[in-house]
Amino acid sequence: DAKTTQPTSMDCAEGRAANLPCNHSTISGNEYVYWYRQIHSQGPQYIIHGLKNNETNEMASLIITEDRKSSTLILPHATLRDTAVYYCIASMTGNQFYFGTGTSLTVIP
Amino acid sequence: ETGVTQTPRHLVMGMTNKKSLKCEQHLGHNAMYWYKQSAKKPLELMFVYSLEERVENNSVPSRFSPECPNSSHLFLHLHTLQPEDSALYLCASSQAWQYGYTFGSGTRLTVV
Repeated sequence: DAKTTQPTSMDCAEGRAANLPCNHSTISGNEYVYWYRQIHSQGPQYIIHGLKNNETNEMASLIITEDRKSSTLILPHATLRDTAVYYCIASMTGNQFYFGTGTSLTVIP
Repeated sequence: ETGVTQTPRHLVMGMTNKKSLKCEQHLGHNAMYWYKQSAKKPLELMFVYSLEERVENNSVPSRFSPECPNSSHLFLHLHTLQPEDSALYLCASSQAWQYGYTFGSGTRLTVV
């Protein structure tokens, strides 16, 4: 799995879009980008994944740059319940994930 | 409820006890995993079972013993643990290789 780099922490005002960046400059062509989040003391929750096209679901949007070396997870209207640690993972197989330290997002009222 | 159920939610055990953590998935997945999350540390992959065969044992001490009797159930047997083994133990399952995990809510283990 390619190494990913994320900021340690971010703040976002409630109701605004939260944009969480991730660098994965060594990603290979068949590795997907996955995003998970972990709310305090719960199991991580799958958010979204993509290969090269931008993806959107009911939770978030994933924007992957054309060279695939970085991506951004967008929570369009952040709520207090989106306060969590967000993990970006690059993986070919979809299993045997190795989670890093992620980005701790705090949504501020 | 995520489809992956872990019991118990909380467990306090002495260093000489033997206990087991249970995980059950109702998603029809064919791979199951144990992760450990200590305070302020990233998730650590412990064991991977695919089609009921252990495919990864990530240098875990022998006081942790996994068991996967069928594709829906996964156990983690614990014996003679140390206080540093206190952590959140998470079970996950997956199906297709590209579709990631579903995690359970975890068992918060305290070793006294």
